[in-house]
Amino acid sequence: DGGITQSPKYLFRKEGQNVTLSCEQNLNHDAMYWYRQDPGQGLRLIYYSQIVNDFQKGDIAEGYSVSREKKESFPLTVTSAQKNPTAFYLCASSSQRQETQYFGPGTRLLVL
Amino acid sequence: AQSVTQPDIHITVSEGASLELRCNYSYGATPYLFWYVQSPGQGLQLLLKYFSGDTLVQGIKGFEAEFKRSQSSFNLRKPSVHWSDAAEYFCAVITGANNLFFGTGTRLTVIP
Repeated sequence: DGGITQSPKYLFRKEGQNVTLSCEQNLNHDAMYWYRQDPGQGLRLIYYSQIVNDFQKGDIAEGYSVSREKKESFPLTVTSAQKNPTAFYLCASSSQRQETQYFGPGTRLLVL
Repeated sequence: AQSVTQPDIHITVSEGASLELRCNYSYGATPYLFWYVQSPGQGLQLLLKYFSGDTLVQGIKGFEAEFKRSQSSFNLRKPSVHWSDAAEYFCAVITGANNLFFGTGTRLTVIP
């Protein structure tokens, strides 16, 4: 079955630690996205990528980094510079930027 | 600035009753509009979308939505709600910059 997978389902971060969230898709989509979801705030765009080896900042990119070395993979690193990382993180993909986005199951990040 | 407003934070309906979730958008051109549903701790599932054409759009799980340009609205409806419809519902719009902008969501509770 085609789809988007995210791992892990839960992730714990210690103070000063960088952590990486995985996102893989087998839909052959060119565009991929990372969103952060906080209660009562809907989803906010962190980074997006339209093609391999290219990515752009979204609305809340500070404290996050991404890479896009392969079409099917778009990992997100939450760096120690992100002072409030506790949230639900959702990855999505679409065939092109203006097309329908499909979402993965999410990763919940908690701070120890 | 583009925006999406979901005026109802929480709605409670009885099983078998009809449902209407409101969504208003602010965008100059004809928008691409979406409704997604999210169960607790899960990713977002696409219910339906409007790009152009017939303003009444049919989606999955018996949902429909109507695009009304004069009212800048894209309300979601279902004639008879089932207990399994309890979830959070998000309206979203693709803006001119091709970003998917989300409303803050409406939580639906279904009582027996």
